[in-house]
Amino acid sequence: QKEVEQNSGPLSVPEGAIASLNCTYSDRGSQSFFWYRQYSGKSPELIMFIYSNGDKEDGRFTAQLNKASQYVSLLIRDSQPSDSATYLCAVNGGTASKLTFGTGTRLQVTL
Amino acid sequence: KAGVTQTPRYLIKTRGQQVTLSCSPISGHRSVSWYQQTPGQGLQFLFEYFSETQRNKGNFPGRFSGRQFSNSRSEMNVSTLELGDSALYLCASSLAQFQETQYFGPGTRLLVL
Repeated sequence: QKEVEQNSGPLSVPEGAIASLNCTYSDRGSQSFFWYRQYSGKSPELIMFIYSNGDKEDGRFTAQLNKASQYVSLLIRDSQPSDSATYLCAVNGGTASKLTFGTGTRLQVTL
Repeated sequence: KAGVTQTPRYLIKTRGQQVTLSCSPISGHRSVSWYQQTPGQGLQFLFEYFSETQRNKGNFPGRFSGRQFSNSRSEMNVSTLELGDSALYLCASSLAQFQETQYFGPGTRLLVL
């Protein structure tokens, strides 16, 4: 079982819709959770981090964490073509004191 | 404040050669982590340095090594290059603790022929 799992996609959503990106992790002791956006040929760019169960909102982005289900998600409201990128989920803490990344979900926002 | 810088940005080497990549963290950041990114494996953790000491190491062979200097700049070295070492090598810096937010540099794209 991979430590951090994401659906590779592509996830295709129309412009203006809500994009929902999901991530599950295996280490129940994980403490910190991050979402990065990576455009093709570029390096990852931090979007949000979340430490506590529940929702955290920042502009059009909402991160949701459910530690009991070992599940973290990212919602993008009013999706724009510029949101088209690969979204990486990263998890830290627990038994492995390092940042572990999922393989990413490719999001395509269509006009 | 300037971001994380990495040099060189692109590199072409042949099998058996060695390579050294450099990373300068954000000013004031003392932790530097290195990652390898390939299409098949995604982002893989190489190692992390803090105050010139390696604190964590990923599952890579001993051909991959690194170091950190007193000014927090870091270098990673890959010896006896193999074709499979072709990848984007990313450096990320954070203030201090590993669990804090990491900020990535632009990466060094290495091609091994």
